[in-house]
Amino acid sequence: AQSVSQHNHHVILSEAASLELGCNYSYGGTVNLFWYVQYPGQHLQLLLKYFSGDPLVKGIKGFEAEFIKSKFSFNLRKPSVQWSDTAEYFCAVNPYTGGFKTIFGAGTRLFVKA
Amino acid sequence: GAGVSQSPSNKVTEKGKDVELRCDPISGHTALYWYRQSLGQGLEFLIYFQGNSAPDKSGLPSDRFSAERTGGSVSTLTIQRTQQEDSAVYLCASSFGGGGGSGANVLTFGAGSRLTVL
Repeated sequence: AQSVSQHNHHVILSEAASLELGCNYSYGGTVNLFWYVQYPGQHLQLLLKYFSGDPLVKGIKGFEAEFIKSKFSFNLRKPSVQWSDTAEYFCAVNPYTGGFKTIFGAGTRLFVKA
Repeated sequence: GAGVSQSPSNKVTEKGKDVELRCDPISGHTALYWYRQSLGQGLEFLIYFQGNSAPDKSGLPSDRFSAERTGGSVSTLTIQRTQQEDSAVYLCASSFGGGGGSGANVLTFGAGSRLTVL
């Protein structure tokens, strides 16, 4: 079945540590890719997106993600995390087939220790 | 409206009762989604409306779940004969929708409706 996989369900880091959250998807065709974030007590919101062009995309708050087509991956990175990055992060895929339905991964809960 | 509105924000019901959850998307957004968020389960896709096309109901977990969207705007998710495993946060999201690579498929989420089935 077509799916989105996030490898880490819970991540605990100290401030200033580097972050990489893995995301793989199983759709074979063209896709739009997203990372969404849910801060404690807030709505889900867009962190960054990839539609085409440069596979390295930058989002808000210093986050970036790299699309590697051959690996069907869209990993999220941040060189130095802050306590305020504590949140749940969701990878999402919007395939060009199937009516452009957006499917999410299971999410990764990040806790950053001050 | 300025954002996606969902009501009620919290609903406590007894097992076996029916519940209705409402979503009012952003004006002009043709795509509307319902997702279910449970602890440890991430965001589970339930149903997707896109314009006048037949809805994609492939994520509905059982025939107790149904949804409709009237006039291409407001949507109602109905859960009949609720069970304890239905307890979750039900999220609605909308977007401009349509195809291709553009901002049209960026989702705006509502605050969710937290359902507790006793």
